[in-house]
Amino acid sequence: QKEVEQDPGPLSVPEGAIVSLNCTYSNSAFQYFMWYRQYSRKGPELLMYTYSSGNKEDGRFTAQVDKSSKYISLFIRDSQPSDSATYLCAIHKGRNDMRFGAGTRLTVKP
Amino acid sequence: EAGVVQSPRYKIIEKKQPVAFWCNPISGHNTLYWYRQNLGQGPELLIRYENEEAVDDSQLPKDRFSAERLKGVDSTLKIQPAELGDSAVYLCASSRGKVGGELFFGEGSRLTVL
Repeated sequence: QKEVEQDPGPLSVPEGAIVSLNCTYSNSAFQYFMWYRQYSRKGPELLMYTYSSGNKEDGRFTAQVDKSSKYISLFIRDSQPSDSATYLCAIHKGRNDMRFGAGTRLTVKP
Repeated sequence: EAGVVQSPRYKIIEKKQPVAFWCNPISGHNTLYWYRQNLGQGPELLIRYENEEAVDDSQLPKDRFSAERLKGVDSTLKIQPAELGDSAVYLCASSRGKVGGELFFGEGSRLTVL
């Protein structure tokens, strides 16, 4: 079993739609959860960061962690064509050990 | 502040040839990572350095891959000899090494092995 599982998609939505991206993880001891965004032919960039359980909101983006289910989600409201990218969930296993999901490729159509 | 710099951006070689990738992390970042990203997949850790020390190289195919980080700054990842399956993007990242800290990535080195 992989430490973090993510449906690779691809996912295609119309502009303005609400997007839901999800990952599951294997170890309940993990406490730091991130979402990275990767545009084509670029390196990943940190989008959202959550510690432990609960929600975190930043503009149109909401990150959610459910530790009881070992499930993490990213919601994008009012999606824009500029949101078209690959979204990678990531977990911090320990101090400097980061592991990534497979990434979900999102296309937002005008 | 300059970001993580990688070179070359693109490299095409024939199988069995050697290849090397170079990474210059953000100044002051003591932790450096090399990841490999296959097409349509997430980054997979190859090796992680804390200063000069390789603290996690369990996923590095040591029969053909080697890495070094002299003086705890720049790093080089080498493949010799390259195989067709090595075609991928090789990403370098750095961080300050704090608990839960952000990784900053370079743009990657895209390798094609023919």
